[in-house]
Amino acid sequence: GQNIDQPTEMTATEGAIVQINCTYQTSGFNGLFWYQQHAGEAPTFLSYNVLDGLEEKGRFSSFLSRSKGYSYLLLKELQMKDSASYLCAVINNAGNMLTFGGGTRLMVKP
Amino acid sequence: NAGVTQTPKFQVLKTGQSMTLQCAQDMNHEYMSWYRQDPGMGLRLIHYSVGAGITDQGEVPNGYNVSRSTTEDFPLRLLSAAPSQTSVYFCASRFRDLNTEAFFGQGTRLTVV
Repeated sequence: GQNIDQPTEMTATEGAIVQINCTYQTSGFNGLFWYQQHAGEAPTFLSYNVLDGLEEKGRFSSFLSRSKGYSYLLLKELQMKDSASYLCAVINNAGNMLTFGGGTRLMVKP
Repeated sequence: NAGVTQTPKFQVLKTGQSMTLQCAQDMNHEYMSWYRQDPGMGLRLIHYSVGAGITDQGEVPNGYNVSRSTTEDFPLRLLSAAPSQTSVYFCASRFRDLNTEAFFGQGTRLTVV
């Protein structure tokens, strides 16, 4: 099975940097996704990591360590519109199941 | 560009009623999935399909049926609704390739009274 843990809530200040962690223990692993979900809306794709290291996409970066079962999402230059839930998800070996963590609700304050 | 379309957006059912949540995608994706999202629980996989005629159970399949007669459509049936099935339901689709992201429908908010 899959066990994926994220903090439930985080608060940060506009313009700051925040790191959202995700740890996983899975019976099979073939990559990790991060999604953003605004309240009342569908999740939207942010990033994908399959190899160890950092993937950078503008203000957002995602890091993966397969040996430690650990990932983080780094958000820089926070904006009010970044207030949302951030979901970590693992894809299994067969690639047919995407399992999500509970999500981290990020509140950005002025 | 329609993407993934779910209907209805909102539904209220009485306990014991049955209904079908519709999901259609126009991106020719092989894989389709149904999730439910409850407060503090994240997205939990109900059923998934890797192609027409093939379906399988996810983490929380009890009380739900699916079928996949075409590539485009993946309906979710609630056989006899229970208050525990009050949730937001999301349909998602993606290509078979491992590194491709899933696209989500806008969700169906279901209340069972």
